[in-house]
Amino acid sequence: EAEVAQSPRYKITEKSQAVAFWCDPISGHATLYWYRQILGQGPELLVQFQDESVVDDSQLPKDRFSAERLKGVDSTLKIQPAELGDSAMYLCASSLAKGQRELFFGSGTQLSVL
Amino acid sequence: AQSVSQHNHHVILSEAASLELGCNYSYGGTVNLFWYVQYPGQHLQLLLKYFSGDPLVKGIKGFEAEFIKSKFSFNLRKPSVQWSDTAEYFCAASRRTGANNLFFGTGTRLTVIP
Repeated sequence: EAEVAQSPRYKITEKSQAVAFWCDPISGHATLYWYRQILGQGPELLVQFQDESVVDDSQLPKDRFSAERLKGVDSTLKIQPAELGDSAMYLCASSLAKGQRELFFGSGTQLSVL
Repeated sequence: AQSVSQHNHHVILSEAASLELGCNYSYGGTVNLFWYVQYPGQHLQLLLKYFSGDPLVKGIKGFEAEFIKSKFSFNLRKPSVQWSDTAEYFCAASRRTGANNLFFGTGTRLTVIP
């Protein structure tokens, strides 16, 4: 069964350092999402891509977060500099098309900022 | 503003007990509704979804949910839970048209005691 791949699975970093997460969606899925899940809360959307274009990044803290999907396939989410409050699970999801209503999630990257 | 509310934070049941988890949404316009499950150490998986039509939807593993438009609710039910149902359950909603990113509730942790 096709899956959304994410790496690394865990990341520990010190505050003010830079971190990057990688996501490879299910083959053929045009829409890609990055969500952040803080412990005890539901996932919250950070950014949505349609192919290589950003559709929605209204909740992305752009002073320190950036995301790209250069070839419209895999994607990278970067945080620079990391802050203590960034500790969370970062989830990637994909769907077949913008109008497709089912999202498939990866296993996530658990970030701990010390 | 769009929101999804789950009022049960942690539910503890014995095996064979019946389950009902509450979910209420606040949205303008028509919505798609979902229940996702996250088993310990695994990624979010879709349990069931409602787009239109019969308001009683059946999902995997014996789960069902009923959409009650007048109550803005989409409660999840299972007549007899098993130990393997121990997991975190998330209700989510998206707009029927336009941007279809998911808004999640805060989740309900279900513990089933053998």
